[in-house]
Amino acid sequence: AQKVTQTQTSISVVEKTTVTMDCVYETRDSSYFLFWYKQTASGEIVFLIRQDSYKKENATVGHYSLNFQKPKSSIGLIITATQIEDSAVYFCAMRVGQGGRALIFGTGTTVSVSP
Amino acid sequence: EAAVTQSPRSKVAVTGGKVTLSCHQTNNHDYMYWYRQDTGHGLRLIHYSYVADSTEKGDIPDGYKASRPSQENFSLILELASLSQTAVYFCASSDRDWGVQNTLYFGAGTRLSVL
Repeated sequence: AQKVTQTQTSISVVEKTTVTMDCVYETRDSSYFLFWYKQTASGEIVFLIRQDSYKKENATVGHYSLNFQKPKSSIGLIITATQIEDSAVYFCAMRVGQGGRALIFGTGTTVSVSP
Repeated sequence: EAAVTQSPRSKVAVTGGKVTLSCHQTNNHDYMYWYRQDTGHGLRLIHYSYVADSTEKGDIPDGYKASRPSQENFSLILELASLSQTAVYFCASSDRDWGVQNTLYFGAGTRLSVL
């Protein structure tokens, strides 16, 4: 079975610090893609960053980076120098193979950034 | 900028009534999807479509029908709305090969309350 699990329901951090979120995935496929999305308070869902399974280097986009540990089937999201506007729900998702049936999502982690 | 427009943005329906949620994309994407979001469940795939006049069942299709009359339009139909279908519904689109960004583009969501 293919599954994405986010065990952290919520995280609170102080502005300008670093926050790390966990995500564990299950798949038997050798080729897969891992994503992180952000859902803002308005409900908008925005793509942040992705990791391809065949790449060893951790992806980085702006102040978002990934901690990809393939042997542990883990893809953590790291946000450095957090800002108030980083307060949101963060979803981890997986896509298996090419084409396919879209994404399998985790249940999300709510991040609250305070001044 | 990719654009996915959902209508209505919110709706109150009566139990047993028919509800149609509409989605329009101007991205020239082949793939379109309907997801449902419930607290604690993340996003779950209801129906999706690879091409006009064809739809496929996702992970939770029971109680829902889908229609793709054209490449740009994708509707979700609740023939007999039930209380359990109260949720936020998201439409999304993607390229055939998920494009350079290799991601989904989401609409703003429709909040459905069934009373």
